[in-house]
Amino acid sequence: EPEVTQTPSHQVTQMGQEVILRCVPISNHLYFYWYRQILGQKVEFLVSFYNNEISEKSEIFDDQFSVERPDGSNFTLKIRSTKLEDSAMYFCASSEGYRDGYTFGSGTRLTVV
Amino acid sequence: AQSVTQPDIHITVSEGASLELRCNYSYGATPYLFWYVQSPGQGLQLLLKYFSGDTLVQGIKGFEAEFKRSQSSFNLRKPSVHWSDAAEYFCAVGPFGNEKLTFGTGTRLTIIP
Repeated sequence: EPEVTQTPSHQVTQMGQEVILRCVPISNHLYFYWYRQILGQKVEFLVSFYNNEISEKSEIFDDQFSVERPDGSNFTLKIRSTKLEDSAMYFCASSEGYRDGYTFGSGTRLTVV
Repeated sequence: AQSVTQPDIHITVSEGASLELRCNYSYGATPYLFWYVQSPGQGLQLLLKYFSGDTLVQGIKGFEAEFKRSQSSFNLRKPSVHWSDAAEYFCAVGPFGNEKLTFGTGTRLTIIP
């Protein structure tokens, strides 16, 4: 079964550093998403991406966040200057179309110290 | 604004017993409803989804869910649980299209022998 692949599985970074979280969506999917889950809390929407542009973003997705699909296969989330409160599990997801639901990756656990 | 309530934070059931996890949603139009399961350290796996039609939907791993518009509910059921069903279960609601999903806070399921 096709999978969404996320790397790395765990990243530790110092506060103020930039991090890039990588995702390889399912190849024929057109819609891409990032969600995050702070430990013990609900899964929260960050951003959706379609046709090489952001289609929707949440209030969490401020100027320190950006997304990119640099080469037609990868989908990245960049956090420019990490804060302690950015520590969370970040999930990438992709979808072929609106009736499919999403396929989520296994997540990247980001720890900011 | 759309919202999802999962009133049970933690449920413990015996192996072989039946299971029902509750989910109530708030959404102004016809919702698209999903159940996801998250095993420890893993991503979110889609169990089942409801868009329209038959209000009883079948999913993977022997799970089913029933959409009740009058009660704004989408409860997840399984007739006989297995130890491998121990996980966190998330209900989610989304609008038509590929916009964001809104997740509930999750229900942690523990299985006892």
